[in-house]
Amino acid sequence: SQKIEQNSEALNIQEGKTATLTCNYTNYSPAYLQWYRQDPGRGPVFLLLIRENEKEKRKERLKVTFDTTLKQSLFHITASQPADSATYLCALARGESWGKLQFGAGTQVVVTP
Amino acid sequence: EAGVAQSPRYKIIEKRQSVAFWCNPISGHATLYWYQQILGQGPKLLIQFQNNGVVDDSQLPKDRFSAERLKGVDSTLKIQPAKLEDSAVYLCASSLVRGRATYNEQFFGPGTRLTVL
Repeated sequence: SQKIEQNSEALNIQEGKTATLTCNYTNYSPAYLQWYRQDPGRGPVFLLLIRENEKEKRKERLKVTFDTTLKQSLFHITASQPADSATYLCALARGESWGKLQFGAGTQVVVTP
Repeated sequence: EAGVAQSPRYKIIEKRQSVAFWCNPISGHATLYWYQQILGQGPKLLIQFQNNGVVDDSQLPKDRFSAERLKGVDSTLKIQPAKLEDSAVYLCASSLVRGRATYNEQFFGPGTRLTVL
């Protein structure tokens, strides 16, 4: 099965800076990749989806890139705010899998004022 | 629009006891997922339903876990008997996925935190 690696160490960042998270995978090339945010005691919340034929997606202060050659996705939070503090999960899916996702362990982001 | 509902929110049981979790997905969502999330890990898919049929249950420990989705709406996940290693958060999610090659975001419920003593 797919192995998904996200930074296990928390990312501590100052307010206003850009946070960059990585998601590396092995084995099959996913048809698409999603990023979710999870706050303590809550279920994950969808943020962005990027398909295998897309290089970059943006949504407000969020940006995702997808490099199938490097087998890597990068997730950026620009102008970070304390409210962005959470755990961010990447999730991969094969094609024709009825939307089945395989999640990484997530990276915790802490934004300090 | 109402989100995914789950109950109970918390459950504490002794090992070898049984427990059941309930999930009501977002109205109109054909696909329903049950995940297990152990502390410090990402959600792990246990079972996926498309309407009331099972699409994937390859990671469901079938000797002790069972799930059903009667009438293609709400669903229950049962563990019998529970083991210490079943302590985790059980998340339910739903999606508008209607075909094998389609993909949509998943909407998660708040989860049920299970502690097995």
